[in-house]
Amino acid sequence: EDQVTQSPEALRLQEGESSSLNCSYTVSGLRGLFWYRQDPGKGPEFLFTLYSAGEEKEKERLKATLTKKESFLHITAPKPEDSATYLCAVQAGLIGNQFYFGTGTSLTVIP
Amino acid sequence: NAGVTQTPKFRVLKTGQSMTLLCAQDMNHEYMYWYRQDPGMGLRLIHYSVGEGTTAKGEVPDGYNVSRLKKQNFLLGLESAAPSQTSVYFCASSSRRTVNTEAFFGQGTRLTVV
Repeated sequence: EDQVTQSPEALRLQEGESSSLNCSYTVSGLRGLFWYRQDPGKGPEFLFTLYSAGEEKEKERLKATLTKKESFLHITAPKPEDSATYLCAVQAGLIGNQFYFGTGTSLTVIP
Repeated sequence: NAGVTQTPKFRVLKTGQSMTLLCAQDMNHEYMYWYRQDPGMGLRLIHYSVGEGTTAKGEVPDGYNVSRLKKQNFLLGLESAAPSQTSVYFCASSSRRTVNTEAFFGQGTRLTVV
């Protein structure tokens, strides 16, 4: 069965304290891995797409990496405005672009 | 550029009532999806569509029906609402291209069934 697991469930960081979020997956026919940010009461907002092992993408204080079995979202010197839930999703399947989501990591950055 | 728009944003239903959630996208995307999001469960796919006039079941389709009569619209129906359908519902759309295939989400509909 296709699965996406994110860890930790929750993470509290001091402002400026770097860390990483993990997304491990077991799917057949991976077509892409996606990271989203979700603020309370809003829909998920797209951050990155990774398509192949070894690929890296960066945006401001965020950097996403991909291996054959997992992805990491590295947060460098986070600020309070980085507080949100970060969702990982994988795209698989032969028909359509079905996305399978993890349960997310809730990040809180304390000033 | 509106992206993905969902209506309504909030709704309270009594058990047994019916309703339709509307999703509209202006990005000319071929694929559209309905998800529900519950605490600790993540986003779960209810139904999806790969094109106008086509629909398919996702992970949790029971109790829901969908229709896609126009490419830009995807409707989610609840024929007889149950308290277990209390959730936040998200619509999303994506392109069928082989690159830039990320899904774009609406702002959600918070549904409470009492």
